[in-house]
Amino acid sequence: DVKVTQSSRYLVKRTGEKVFLECVQDMDHENMFWYRQDPGLGLRLIYFSYDVKMKEKGDIPEGYSVSREKKERFSLILESASTNQTSMYLCASSPILDNEQFFGPGTRLTVL
Amino acid sequence: LAKTTQPISMDSYEGQEVNITCSHNNIATNDYITWYQQFPSQGPRFIIQGYKTKVTNEVASLFIPADRKSSTLSLPRVSLSDTAVYYCLVGDHNQGGKLIFGQGTELSVKP
Repeated sequence: DVKVTQSSRYLVKRTGEKVFLECVQDMDHENMFWYRQDPGLGLRLIYFSYDVKMKEKGDIPEGYSVSREKKERFSLILESASTNQTSMYLCASSPILDNEQFFGPGTRLTVL
Repeated sequence: LAKTTQPISMDSYEGQEVNITCSHNNIATNDYITWYQQFPSQGPRFIIQGYKTKVTNEVASLFIPADRKSSTLSLPRVSLSDTAVYYCLVGDHNQGGKLIFGQGTELSVKP
């Protein structure tokens, strides 16, 4: 079974802090994704990566950056956390040429 | 990327068949239609995917008419555990999976 793990289920940070959210997948998938999910808005794509060191902006990249130094790991970085970044963050991976994405359990981030 | 429209919520009772229809008027030739299920406090889970006509697996069926401008997810004999949010997505099968999630349909199954 494909497994996507995220470093934390719950995280509380203060405004202005630098925040790292880590995601690891164990199926050698080419593609990895970061979404945020907010009530009434569904899932919105922040960034995705189709290869090591490659990244593409999603629909809402402002205030975020990403890093993919190894194929299995995709990090989401909040350079200076703000209260409007309080959300559920979901990581996913997928094989190339396939639309099935495998999601992690999510990280609920609260920025105070 | 094609935009999808689906009902915000639906109610059903245990044992009934539930059909959730999704509109995707601007679907492109290379787009596939994919449905995901999400339970509270969990990430979405892939249910089914299709390109045309009918696809069936152990969980659901997907009906796609010839013009592909809509699709219907059919859940046979739902149970309480099928209460979840269901998302319809369309995306290019050759793009390696950049998909847009809409708001989804919140299905509530009652005893």
